[in-house]
Amino acid sequence: DTAVSQTPKYLVTQMGNDKSIKCEQNLGHDTMYWYKQDSKKFLKIMFSYNNKELIINETVPNRFSPKSPDKAHLNLHINSLELGDSAVYFCASSQLSPAGLNSPLHFGNGTRLTVT
Amino acid sequence: GQNIDQPTEMTATEGAIVQINCTYQTSGFNGLFWYQQHAGEAPTFLSYNVLDGLEEKGRFSSFLSRSKGYSYLLLKELQMKDSASYLCAVPMFSGGYNKLIFGAGTRLAVHP
Repeated sequence: DTAVSQTPKYLVTQMGNDKSIKCEQNLGHDTMYWYKQDSKKFLKIMFSYNNKELIINETVPNRFSPKSPDKAHLNLHINSLELGDSAVYFCASSQLSPAGLNSPLHFGNGTRLTVT
Repeated sequence: GQNIDQPTEMTATEGAIVQINCTYQTSGFNGLFWYQQHAGEAPTFLSYNVLDGLEEKGRFSSFLSRSKGYSYLLLKELQMKDSASYLCAVPMFSGGYNKLIFGAGTRLAVHP
């Protein structure tokens, strides 16, 4: 199936641990994103990569490090996890055009991270 | 900067029509998106408006007025499965690229 897939779906871990979330898209898009959705359901952009190049880096703690080995994959590594990192993390992809972001984002099913 | 406002919650009855409003303030304009998100699931694309007017797509329609910084999503013949959050989103141009900024979402509850 053509889609954006991310793993794992659920992640429960203790404070101070390091964890990774993986994302892959087979839609042929050139741009991928990480979004964070907090307990109030507010969806906020964290990072974006275009053809493996970091293009958007919001004011995210440097404990969060994205990596894009190729344009179909974007992983997120989180060091020294804190309670406030608990949220749902969504990966997404889109096709940028010269006119800008006028094609929709396709989202993965999310990774629910719980830090205890 | 970017500011997007939409009501937090709405309720409606099955079979009825509901209108979800969104107002935005942007330093530039490059279209407006509506997404639907069921509880525990990913947001899914509903509509994109870049010109003024109404875009109809089955039971869902989306309207845009650029001069007023205003959009609405119109849902007709409501069904129980329409209970979800509806997110208004606008691209913001920053550092040579666009990023999609979302409103806080409107939680719609459809009752029998």
